[in-house]
Amino acid sequence: EPEVTQTPSHQVTQMGQEVILRCVPISNHLYFYWYRQILGQKVEFLVSFYNNEISEKSEIFDDQFSVERPDGSNFTLKIRSTKLEDSAMYFCATTGVYEQYFGPGTRLTVT
Amino acid sequence: KNEVEQSPQNLTAQEGEFITINCSYSVGISALHWLQQHPGGGIVSLFMLSSGKKKHGRLIATINIQEKHSSLHITASHPRDSAVYICAVRREDTGNQFYFGTGTSLTVIP
Repeated sequence: EPEVTQTPSHQVTQMGQEVILRCVPISNHLYFYWYRQILGQKVEFLVSFYNNEISEKSEIFDDQFSVERPDGSNFTLKIRSTKLEDSAMYFCATTGVYEQYFGPGTRLTVT
Repeated sequence: KNEVEQSPQNLTAQEGEFITINCSYSVGISALHWLQQHPGGGIVSLFMLSSGKKKHGRLIATINIQEKHSSLHITASHPRDSAVYICAVRREDTGNQFYFGTGTSLTVIP
């Protein structure tokens, strides 16, 4: 069964550093998403991406965040200057005909 | 403001019991998604529905668009069903953005 993969599974970084979270979507899916889940809280939408550009973004997705599909397969989320409050699980998801498929997540810890 | 409300927040059941988890939403939607989040954090899609009812194994999901309500039922519950069950809606006015409930934590005791 096809699956969404994410790397790394866990990243620890210092405040102010840049991080790049990577996702390999399911190959024939067209919509890609990033979500985050702060520990103990609900999942929150960050951004959706279609046809190599952002289609929607939430208020959380400010200038510190960016997404791109650098090589036609990977889908990345970059946080330019991490803050303590960016510590969370970050999930990538892609949409098929009927359902969203979630990756296993990257746990980001900012110290 | 929570567009999506789930109840109960926590649920403990004996193995074999029939379980119902409820989801109410306050906005017009184009689809509703039921998800399962395991203790390790991974999220699995269970159902995406926009009307009626879907069944997969011991899981049944229903939605009533007029009442803005959906239910997830688990028949013959098993300890491996223990997880957080999350309802998410795609608003009809915001394209593909999903709004998530806070989840229902289910524990099934042997």
